[in-house]
Amino acid sequence: SQELEQSPQSLIVQEGKNLTINCTSSKTLYGLYWYKQKYGEGLIFLMMLQKGGEEKSHEKITAKLDEKKQQSSLHITASQPSHAGIYLCGAGRTGTASKLTFGTGTRLQVTL
Amino acid sequence: DADVTQTPRNRITKTGKRIMLECSQTKGHDRMYWYRQDPGLGLRLIYYSFDVKDINKGEISDGYSVSRQAQAKFSLSLESAIPNQTALYFCATSTFRGFSGAKNTGELFFGEGSRLTVL
Repeated sequence: SQELEQSPQSLIVQEGKNLTINCTSSKTLYGLYWYKQKYGEGLIFLMMLQKGGEEKSHEKITAKLDEKKQQSSLHITASQPSHAGIYLCGAGRTGTASKLTFGTGTRLQVTL
Repeated sequence: DADVTQTPRNRITKTGKRIMLECSQTKGHDRMYWYRQDPGLGLRLIYYSFDVKDINKGEISDGYSVSRQAQAKFSLSLESAIPNQTALYFCATSTFRGFSGAKNTGELFFGEGSRLTVL
């Protein structure tokens, strides 16, 4: 199975600061999905990356997949309280969402 | 209304009881999944189904069973609940990427979760 390690496990940042969350795999990532979870709630899809070197942005969140397709980063610029939650990366063996394996998550708190 | 609906949202039960968590979806997706989430362990796949007649075990299926009653319904059962099955359970759906062209990323659509506590 695809094992994914996320770092850091938790993060506390002051509002307005930038932050980066990493997701590292022991195997090639054929499809890397980023999700956000508000505490105790369901997961919301953020972005999907597939090609080496690919980068996508949505509002103040940017996700990148490295050229070797074994590491992805999620960068939040000028963090806001609405960014608080748990961020999870998930990956499958192919480019579909079948049998996604998830990382353990990064818990983000944004202080005022 | 939510596209993926889970019931119940919260349940407290005792060891040895039979519990069923239900999931229904209005997205028309063919693929459905059950995951559980535990602190520090992330999401782990329990069972998944790519079609009404297709049921597959995930990485932690022991102690669980599922039923795909229709394309839109996928239920998870705990025949005899035990305390270490206390967790947040998620149902999810997806569709094969190839069916909908480049705009379909094939991502999972999740329900809001069912919190189960086994005493």
